[in-house]
Amino acid sequence: EAGVAQSPRYKIIEKRQSVAFWCNPISGHATLYWYQQILGQGPKLLIQFQNNGVVDDSQLPKDRFSAERLKGVDSTLKIQPAKLEDSAVYLCASSLVAVFNEQFFGPGTRLTVL
Amino acid sequence: GENVEQHPSTLSVQEGDSAVIKCTYSDSASNYFPWYKQELGKRPQLIIDIRSNVGEKKDQRIAVTLNKTAKHFSLHITETQPEDSAVYFCAASRALGGQNFVFGPGTRLSVLP
Repeated sequence: EAGVAQSPRYKIIEKRQSVAFWCNPISGHATLYWYQQILGQGPKLLIQFQNNGVVDDSQLPKDRFSAERLKGVDSTLKIQPAKLEDSAVYLCASSLVAVFNEQFFGPGTRLTVL
Repeated sequence: GENVEQHPSTLSVQEGDSAVIKCTYSDSASNYFPWYKQELGKRPQLIIDIRSNVGEKKDQRIAVTLNKTAKHFSLHITETQPEDSAVYFCAASRALGGQNFVFGPGTRLSVLP
């Protein structure tokens, strides 16, 4: 089975610019997650979708970050405007709806904000 | 909310020795505890998990133990090999409504040949 796909793999922007990341989860996985992983730290959940509805976005900086999953499959995460502290790897993960299920991670997008 | 601590932050062992990584969590309602391995530049991958109704689980050289009363769980790797070198993350979650994982800060394990 194909894994979680993300693009781009790398992105370098200047502060105050905007950027968007794309994620395609494993087919049939209803739950999709976006994580921010700062160098040397564990992944931190930004937002969790169940189909096209938001389950948890309590840690998403909503003044600059937004995410959508309009058709319950692909998802995009946007940052506008970017700050230096947004430099991190953005990981997308997906899992089946049922509880106690493994989260499968994509390769991530490494963002550098200059 | 949930808070997960993990120790040690770095661990070096000789090939063939055992390695133990410990995590504590704060939310007594957490009931699912996965461990992920992340090799340099790669995505995290699940290596073992445990539910709160089980005290111990083993898969070949890897085992996880859970103490619900003390709210801590540990990863045990026996007969370590160089390919075990990676960063290991523990996580805790309430397996309700979609499993919001809270990850620990990670342990960098180095297995020296």
